Amino acid sequence: ETGVTQSPTHLIKTRGQQVTLRCSSQSGHNTVSWYQQALGQGPQFIFQYYREEENGRGNFPPRFSGLQFPNYSSELNVNALELDDSALYLCASTPKGRLGKGEQFFGPGTRLTVL
Amino acid sequence: QQQVKQSPQSLIVQKGGISIINCAYENTAFDYFPWYQQFPGKGPALLIAIRPDVSEKKEGRFTISFNKSAKQFSLHIMDSQPGDSATYFCAATDNTDKLIFGTGTRLQVFP
Repeated sequence: ETGVTQSPTHLIKTRGQQVTLRCSSQSGHNTVSWYQQALGQGPQFIFQYYREEENGRGNFPPRFSGLQFPNYSSELNVNALELDDSALYLCASTPKGRLGKGEQFFGPGTRLTVL
Repeated sequence: QQQVKQSPQSLIVQKGGISIINCAYENTAFDYFPWYQQFPGKGPALLIAIRPDVSEKKEGRFTISFNKSAKQFSLHIMDSQPGDSATYFCAATDNTDKLIFGTGTRLQVFP
């Protein structure tokens, strides 16, 4: 059974640019959540996607947006990058039938550095 | 009210000892309390989780103790091993699936 995968592993961008991060959910999972983890801190919830629609959002500005595809994979897009966007971006998936139960399994993350 | 407070920030334990990490929450709507283990450069891995209908859950060397009235829960690692050296995060959520994480505890186990 393949776990949650994310690409790319590392990414370096400059301030003002746009970035797209990708996530493939674990087999048997249909919900994807995205988190931002700054260095030395716990992950912070960005948003969740279920049935290809946003299903809850944390305290992040609109320049953070996402998509979910029919195969349950997902993208996180960040526009107008700022230095503070430098972080580890984590994707987590939830098993089918377990929406709202809190059970989330994380991928390895994408390390984004904004210069 | 959405915060989860975690302590200590760092912990040094000798091999074979017991590691104890504590968390406290305010939101009584929280109904799922997982612990995650994270190694440097990796994503958090679900270690063990508990729901409020039980006061303790044990899986191997890992035990969660849960005190609903005090709104506190803790992770106990028995017979700690050098391979347990990692950062541990407690978290909590309600039916929104929005995990609220603690600030993390860096555990170092020395042989």
